[in-house]
Amino acid sequence: EVVLTQSPGTLSLSPGERATLSCRASQSVSTLGWYQQRPGQAPRLLIHGVSRRAPGVPDRFRGSGSGTDFTLTISSLEPEDFALYFCQQCDDDSPPYSFGQGTHLEIK
Amino acid sequence: EVKLVESGGGLVQPGGSLRLSCAASGFTFSAFGMNWVRQPPGRGLEWLSFIVGVGYTSHYSDSVRGRFTISRDNAKNSLYLQMSSLRADDTAVYYCARRGNYMSGAFDVWGQGTVVTVSS
Repeated sequence: EVVLTQSPGTLSLSPGERATLSCRASQSVSTLGWYQQRPGQAPRLLIHGVSRRAPGVPDRFRGSGSGTDFTLTISSLEPEDFALYFCQQCDDDSPPYSFGQGTHLEIK
Repeated sequence: EVKLVESGGGLVQPGGSLRLSCAASGFTFSAFGMNWVRQPPGRGLEWLSFIVGVGYTSHYSDSVRGRFTISRDNAKNSLYLQMSSLRADDTAVYYCARRGNYMSGAFDVWGQGTVVTVSS
């Protein structure tokens, strides 16, 4: 079973700043997704296949990485970006489709 | 509009059972694999189970295997989760989520969730 570890647990930044969120896998994964969850809402898919933005996702969100190390970068934070972020391994042949424990992006 | 709506949550005693439903609309339900994911209060997401679009192939997390059963009725555009031997640590918001066919396996559509509370 792949274990995903996200860091940092909490990231405190100001609007306009750049955010870098990390997701490390316990073994190599072929595909990874990123989700955003605002308070009281269901998760929303941001990135699939490591680096492909889901429909309607602004281009300030960028996914990158390979193997065991992956990154979600938000180039210039907007007020609505302050939320929880989760990574997930989605490899077809490798359930469970486990999630990382999350990064809380909060306003500084 | 593509939509998933969960129902069936509520308060149940430890050791009890509950059946969750997820009604799908706005897409060809049978063409997509479906999942259940839960989120305990104040905590992260936990994937629970997956079922293929047509057929009975399914997968479970270790935490629910043998206690929970996923199923679907494509004629009714509905997904189900039969939960038994419930414990306090099963308390969570339960989401159904679609596995996107062109999204590298990611979950592209989510319901709003239904709350399950296991308590005496």
